[in-house]
Amino acid sequence: EAGVAQSPRYKIIEKRQSVAFWCNPISGHATLYWYQQILGQGPKLLIQFQNNGVVDDSQLPKDRFSAERLKGVDSTLKIQPAKLEDSAVYLCASSSRTGPSYNEQFFGPGTRLTVL
Amino acid sequence: RKEVEQDPGPFNVPEGATVAFNCTYSNSASQSFFWYRQDCRKEPKLLMSVYSSGNEDGRFTAQLNRASQYISLLIRDSKLSDSATYLCAVNEESNYQLIWGAGTKLIIKP
Repeated sequence: EAGVAQSPRYKIIEKRQSVAFWCNPISGHATLYWYQQILGQGPKLLIQFQNNGVVDDSQLPKDRFSAERLKGVDSTLKIQPAKLEDSAVYLCASSSRTGPSYNEQFFGPGTRLTVL
Repeated sequence: RKEVEQDPGPFNVPEGATVAFNCTYSNSASQSFFWYRQDCRKEPKLLMSVYSSGNEDGRFTAQLNRASQYISLLIRDSKLSDSATYLCAVNEESNYQLIWGAGTKLIIKP
């Protein structure tokens, strides 16, 4: 079974530029999460989708961050304009919400963003 | 605010020893708990799920103490390859979200 796919793996941009990340979850997983992880911290949830609807985006800085999952499968996360403090790893995770392991989340390899 | 707390470490442990670390959580209604392993510059990977009192998988044992609201991870006969950061996550049943600890760094020394 293929895992969660993310691209790009690395991105270096200058502040005030824009950037987009892509995620394809595990096939059949209805729930998709975008996390931000700063070195030495646990993942911080940015947004949670159930199919193509947003369940929770309370911690998404909406003045600069946006995300969509139009067809309920893959998703994109965009930052525009980027700030220095956005330098982090952006992780995508998915879960099935069915069966005995319904709460287990599986992560993609992440995108390491450096804002200069 | 619902939180999950872990000792950041690092725990420096000789190869072959047994090591244990805890994770405390504040939401007494939580029903499912997870240990993830995260290697340097890699994504978190699910190590163990705990839905009742505990779980065991080879050298790894997770125990849940609901009365004191913590879960523990015990690693027996530690290997060099066990060196990693161990993240604890607790499920928020109402919205299928995980609340994450900041992780415990483990270093196994020869």
